[in-house]
Amino acid sequence: GAVVSQHPSWVICKSGTSVKIECRSLDFQATTMFWYRQFPKQSLMLMATSNEGSKATYEQGVEKDKFLINHASLTLSTLTVTSAHPEDSSFYICSARDTSGRASDTQYFGPGTRLTVL
Amino acid sequence: GQQVMQIPQYQHVQEGEDFTTYCNSSTTLSNIQWYKQRPGGHPVFLIQLVKSGEVKKQKRLTFQFGEAKKNSSLHITATQTTDVGTYFCAGNSLHGSSNTGKLIFGQGTTLQVKP
Repeated sequence: GAVVSQHPSWVICKSGTSVKIECRSLDFQATTMFWYRQFPKQSLMLMATSNEGSKATYEQGVEKDKFLINHASLTLSTLTVTSAHPEDSSFYICSARDTSGRASDTQYFGPGTRLTVL
Repeated sequence: GQQVMQIPQYQHVQEGEDFTTYCNSSTTLSNIQWYKQRPGGHPVFLIQLVKSGEVKKQKRLTFQFGEAKKNSSLHITATQTTDVGTYFCAGNSLHGSSNTGKLIFGQGTTLQVKP
């Protein structure tokens, strides 16, 4: 199946610093990528939809100035958590939408990035 | 907004018993997808259902999509310890007649299997 990578897989940072997470589709082009956050023992909550070449669409309650998204190319989207605080500690997962004919519009998930803010 | 409810939240079964998780959407879906997440891992795509009333099988797993395209179920026959994990349904929201691509996840059902 299609492969989506995420980097880093885990990161520990001090409160107030910014953290950038990369999401790459390795063997297909993704005009749309999605960013999710998952707290322990909870479901995935969609944060934003990242569209190549245009501004991201944020879900209600997600601060766009705090979670900066850049979809620079058809294979790369980045999420930057700015001025991170302990409550931002979570598992951040991206997915890439494969709209090619082979995949019937399936989303493939990256392995996730575990962020811990001290 | 659109919601996807999934029950039960937890299920403990003896190895060999069957298991079912149910998913209900507040709105009609363009399609529904099922994922499995092992502890510490990320969601792994299992299957997508598109047609009203569709039934698909993957070995011991049977997936159904309701006639109204608002509910779905996953049934595992004769569970094994390798089936342990959290199973999520995710509905693809239907905006007008177009598929927005946004997935709304159910809360997940965590399956524990006793050997």
